[in-house]
Amino acid sequence: AQSVTQLDSQVPVFEEAPVELRCNYSSSVSVYLFWYVQYPNQGLQLLLKYLSGSTLVKGINGFEAEFNKSQTSFHLRKPSVHISDTAEYFCAVSDHSSSYKLIFGSGTRLLVRP
Amino acid sequence: DAGVTQSPTHLIKTRGQQVTLRCSPKSGHDTVSWYQQALGQGPQFIFQYYEEEERQRGNFPDRFSGHQFPNYSSELNVNALLLGDSALYLCASSLIGGSDYEQYFGPGTRLTVT
Repeated sequence: AQSVTQLDSQVPVFEEAPVELRCNYSSSVSVYLFWYVQYPNQGLQLLLKYLSGSTLVKGINGFEAEFNKSQTSFHLRKPSVHISDTAEYFCAVSDHSSSYKLIFGSGTRLLVRP
Repeated sequence: DAGVTQSPTHLIKTRGQQVTLRCSPKSGHDTVSWYQQALGQGPQFIFQYYEEEERQRGNFPDRFSGHQFPNYSSELNVNALLLGDSALYLCASSLIGGSDYEQYFGPGTRLTVT
């Protein structure tokens, strides 16, 4: 069965510093990969997705992620964070045979300090 | 263009009671998936409805059931509520056969079981 591991439960960072949120998935089959953001008391908003093609994916709000098949990773990065980026970030995977069924990681809380 | 809507926003129930949550998908979408997000955890897939039938199901007991109506809206029913059913219930809609494989999430219903 598919699983997603987000290695850091919380990442504190100062404003304007770069950040990387780590995500690893367990699968040898073809997968689709997603990063979602959740602000307090809200639903999930899609940041970016990898379906195929270029392994570097750019999303909204200046975020990007790199798909690494050999390491089964899909780490999220931003070169300079803002206070408003403080939120919970979830990595998710679905395999091609059960598309639209997302398996989520446990989340990483990004805490941006002034 | 209305996004995914869910009702009610909050709900308080007593153990043993039954609850019904509602979801209207994004315009043009035909598939609805339900997720349970316990406090401090990532969302977990409950089930998915397409063409008024349950298409996929996660590892949830039969107390969790659903329905999809001809207008694609959906209900999630939970019987014999347990304290552990307290969570944020998220609805996501998508278009089967769409090339973006993207799910759009609603704001969720916060269920508290006392």
